[in-house]
Amino acid sequence: QKEVEQNSGPLSVPEGAIASLNCTYSDRGSQSFFWYRQYSGKSPELIMSIYSNGDKEDGRFTAQLNKASQYVSLLIRDSQPSDSATYLCAVNGGSSNTGKLIFGQGTTLQVKP
Amino acid sequence: NAGVTQTPKFRILKIGQSMTLQCAQDMNHNYMYWYRQDPGMGLKLIYYSVGAGITDKGEVPNGYNVSRSTTEDFPLRLELAAPSQTSVYFCASNQGLEPQHFGDGTRLSIL
Repeated sequence: QKEVEQNSGPLSVPEGAIASLNCTYSDRGSQSFFWYRQYSGKSPELIMSIYSNGDKEDGRFTAQLNKASQYVSLLIRDSQPSDSATYLCAVNGGSSNTGKLIFGQGTTLQVKP
Repeated sequence: NAGVTQTPKFRILKIGQSMTLQCAQDMNHNYMYWYRQDPGMGLKLIYYSVGAGITDKGEVPNGYNVSRSTTEDFPLRLELAAPSQTSVYFCASNQGLEPQHFGDGTRLSIL
């Protein structure tokens, strides 16, 4: 069974610190990787996509992908209280070719002022 | 630039009633999905569709039905509402390896 694993947290960091969120996946055929942010009572919002090994930066966010280790991470620099949310890691379902994503359970991030 | 539109936003049903949750997308995406999310839990896939006329079961399909007569619309039907179906329902769409785009959700309570 294809799986995506995340630490549920909560991960608590002080304002201005770097928050590091991690995700592992089981399907070696996976080709696309996403991080979504979900505020309480709201729908998931895409914040990062990554498709190849290495780092991808967008503002305060950096996604890191290591396909050999089946590991994807999200770094949030200069964390703000508004970053407090649940972060969902999602991985394309490998060979299924349907656009289906496998979602992790999410990591709750708390940024304390 | 509507994206994925879900209606209604909120609904209260009595046990045994039926209803249809509507989902429409204007991005010409072939793939559409229905998820449910219980409080404090992750997303669970109910049904998905890879194109008009093609649907398939996800992780938790029991108690639900879907149809896909057009590219734009993917309604979810609850035939005999049960308290266990109280949840927030999200519709999403995408194309190929692109990320999924989500609607704002329907919050459903069954009493």
